[in-house]
Amino acid sequence: KAGVTQTPRYLIKTRGQQVTLSCSPISGHRSVSWYQQTPGQGLQFLFEYFSETQRNKGNFPGRFSGRQFSNSRSEMNVSTLELGDSALYLCASALGGTGELFFGEGSRLTVL
Amino acid sequence: KNQVEQSPQSLIILEGKNCTLQCNYTVSPFSNLRWYKQDTGRGPVSLTIMTFSENTKSNGRYTATLDADTKQSSLHITASQLSDSASYICVVSARLGGSQGNLIFGKGTKLSVKP
Repeated sequence: KAGVTQTPRYLIKTRGQQVTLSCSPISGHRSVSWYQQTPGQGLQFLFEYFSETQRNKGNFPGRFSGRQFSNSRSEMNVSTLELGDSALYLCASALGGTGELFFGEGSRLTVL
Repeated sequence: KNQVEQSPQSLIILEGKNCTLQCNYTVSPFSNLRWYKQDTGRGPVSLTIMTFSENTKSNGRYTATLDADTKQSSLHITASQLSDSASYICVVSARLGGSQGNLIFGKGTKLSVKP
């Protein structure tokens, strides 16, 4: 069974640009959650989508947004990039609720 | 405030030795506690999930314990291997059911196993 797939794996952007990251969950999983990971802060919850609806949102500015499609694939977007947005962005899927999370390999974003 | 504290921040051990990582939490209401292993540059992988009623759970050379009274958990690694070098993250679920937004993450313990 295929795991969680995130694209792209690596990307470099400059300040002020915007970026879109994609996540394909494990087949049958309806919950997709996104996390930002930095060396100083560890993993921080961004938001979760379940059946195309945002179910919960972390404490991040409105520049961070996301959506989920009918096939459960999800995208997250960061607009007006800042240097501090440089991080590993992880996506995880789950059957639902607070079930076991299955993480993707992450998208490493560098903002110059 | 819901918090998960892990200790030590980092640890270096020799191959073949055992080690124990600690996780203390102040999360209420408690639903479950998870340990994840994260190799450098990779996504975390689940090692164990423990509910309130479980005291010990093993996954190969990894054994997690949970004391819900003192709100402490430990992850014991037996006969360490070079491949155990990774960050180990403790995560506590703050509510039964609901969303993944109820998960509280520790900052992890970075383990280095040397030959």
